[in-house]
Amino acid sequence: GENVEQHPSTLSVQEGDSAVIKCTYSDSASNYFPWYKQELGKRPQLIIDIRSNVGEKKDQRIAVTLNKTAKHFSLHITETQPEDSAVYFCAASILTGGGNKLTFGTGTQLKVEL
Amino acid sequence: GAGVSQSPRYKVTKRGQDVALRCDPISGHVSLYWYRQALGQGPEFLTYFNYEAQQDKSGLPNDRFSAERPEGSISTLTIQRTEQRDSAMYRCASTLGAGGPGNEQFFGPGTRLTVL
Repeated sequence: GENVEQHPSTLSVQEGDSAVIKCTYSDSASNYFPWYKQELGKRPQLIIDIRSNVGEKKDQRIAVTLNKTAKHFSLHITETQPEDSAVYFCAASILTGGGNKLTFGTGTQLKVEL
Repeated sequence: GAGVSQSPRYKVTKRGQDVALRCDPISGHVSLYWYRQALGQGPEFLTYFNYEAQQDKSGLPNDRFSAERPEGSISTLTIQRTEQRDSAMYRCASTLGAGGPGNEQFFGPGTRLTVL
């Protein structure tokens, strides 16, 4: 089955700096890669996703890049703010017409310091 | 509108008891997923349904775990003869479509299960 590895497990940055979180996946058939943000005590929420037919996607301060050959994808957050502090999870799945079973990474605790 | 809801939010039970965890997906959502999330880990897939049909139960740890969604809306995850290792946060998620557009999984608040 799919295996997703995520690094680093913790990341501390100064407010205004950029943060990068990296993930690798094992199943070359995976074609959908979402990123979830989970604040303390809250439910995971989707912040951005990318499909395998594109190499990059941006949404304001957040971007995701995908390298299918190397089977890795990354989350980039620019101009970090204290409210970006949370745990971030990457995930991978094989999107079919019938479902979307996600395999998650182990999470990155991002702390944005003032 | 209302998001995904789960009940109970917290469940403490004694080893050997059965528990039933309920998930109310967003109205009209076709697919419903169950995950288990250990502290400090990402959600781990258990099973999922399209409408009332269970599509994949490969993530269920053993035959003490079962799930149903008889009318294609509310789902129940049942754990029989609970063991301490079953303690975790159990989350469900729903998606508008079964595949293609509408893939975003909206997660519920979870049920924190503690087995003493």
